[in-house]
Amino acid sequence: GQNIDQPTEMTATEGAIVQINCTYQTSGFNGLFWYQQHAGEAPTFLSYNVLDGLEEKGRFSSFLSRSKGYSYLLLKELQMKDSASYLCAGLNQAGTALIFGKGTTLSVSS
Amino acid sequence: KAGVTQTPRYLIKTRGQQVTLSCSPISGHRSVSWYQQTPGQGLQFLFEYFSETQRNKGNFPGRFSGRQFSNSRSEMNVSTLELGDSALYLCASSEAAPEGYGYTFGSGTRLTVV
Repeated sequence: GQNIDQPTEMTATEGAIVQINCTYQTSGFNGLFWYQQHAGEAPTFLSYNVLDGLEEKGRFSSFLSRSKGYSYLLLKELQMKDSASYLCAGLNQAGTALIFGKGTTLSVSS
Repeated sequence: KAGVTQTPRYLIKTRGQQVTLSCSPISGHRSVSWYQQTPGQGLQFLFEYFSETQRNKGNFPGRFSGRQFSNSRSEMNVSTLELGDSALYLCASSEAAPEGYGYTFGSGTRLTVV
């Protein structure tokens, strides 16, 4: 199978740093995506990793280790508006489908 | 550039009826895929179309079908609706190769089956 696992919920405070982990079976994916989804809205693209290592994009960074089947999304200097669901998704080998984890709901408090 | 447009935004149907949802991708995007989102299962892949051809299909019953037109617009159809089909249906479009920037999602159609 191509299960993707991530924690269901996380909480953090404004200004803090939070790391959301995602694990998956090591075969079958051609890269890993992270999406953000606010309640009632469409998922929006955050990052894509196809090679091992860290990709930094402003306050958000994403890391991938293909050999370990592991990725994380790092959010720095948390703001209230970062309260959302964060979705980890693997792209299948053919590039025709995203396989999503069930998402991590992040609540940021003041 | 206009985003991905899904219509209608909300829909209420009765068990046993059928429904058709529409998706207009970003101009120039030839790949359109559909996902079902429920609180219990999260986002699940339904199918993907590219240049009017279905390239991939998820693990859903045959009641779920779709098609893509020559202008890349896509429709999905669900026949003989069941209560469990109540969900947010999301459409996403991408250029030929989604690597790098992934898919752009529409705001979805919220289907309620009563």
